[in-house]
Amino acid sequence: QLQLQESGPGLVKPSETLSLTCTVSGASISSSNYYWGWIRQPPGKGLEWIGSIYSRGSTSHNPSLTSRVTISVDTSKNQFSLKLSSVTAADTAVYYCARPDLEWRRGAFDIWGQGAMVTVSS
Amino acid sequence: EIVLTQSPGTLSLSPGERATLSCRASQSVSSNYLAWYQQKPGQAPRLLISDASSRATGIPDRFSGSGSGTGFTLTISRLEPEDFAVYYCQQYGSSPGTFGQGTKVEIK
Repeated sequence: QLQLQESGPGLVKPSETLSLTCTVSGASISSSNYYWGWIRQPPGKGLEWIGSIYSRGSTSHNPSLTSRVTISVDTSKNQFSLKLSSVTAADTAVYYCARPDLEWRRGAFDIWGQGAMVTVSS
Repeated sequence: EIVLTQSPGTLSLSPGERATLSCRASQSVSSNYLAWYQQKPGQAPRLLISDASSRATGIPDRFSGSGSGTGFTLTISRLEPEDFAVYYCQQYGSSPGTFGQGTKVEIK
């Protein structure tokens, strides 16, 4: 059974870089054609797509975050990662990793991690 | 960027009633790539509907999606107690994928 698990620091200082990793279990990232995604949700607010990475490494990002976002994949560890630089309090959110229901598309996420709460504060 | 506007913001209904949620797009959604999610407090979203009208695996048939172009609807035919939650639509036909702001279905 496919499972996703986010991990990383729960507290990041303003202007620093937020780093999260999503570990995939139950399936191999490299043997599929999925776009693995990152989505976030500020407390009490709605969902925002951050970006996605194809298992072979190509990425797409939300233009509102492009200059600060790096998404990468490590197939040897069956993980993909998110880095968000120059964070502010507005980046405080629950960060989810997720996989779409079908290969080759960037939405309709049917497998989600439990979410990682990241607070930006000094 | 396609903006999705959900209405109403809150829907107050009783168990057994029918719920109709709307999602309107600022421009046509390519290939009707529109999904609906349910989210309960403290949980990750759960995919209900993809491609505007295809139920995800394990989703009860009281949930149905319809619409095309710029107007989409999620219908819950008879509300069960576990259906009271927040519902989001998402378009993934063009980048960036965008979400609506959500509709809360609460117990009347």
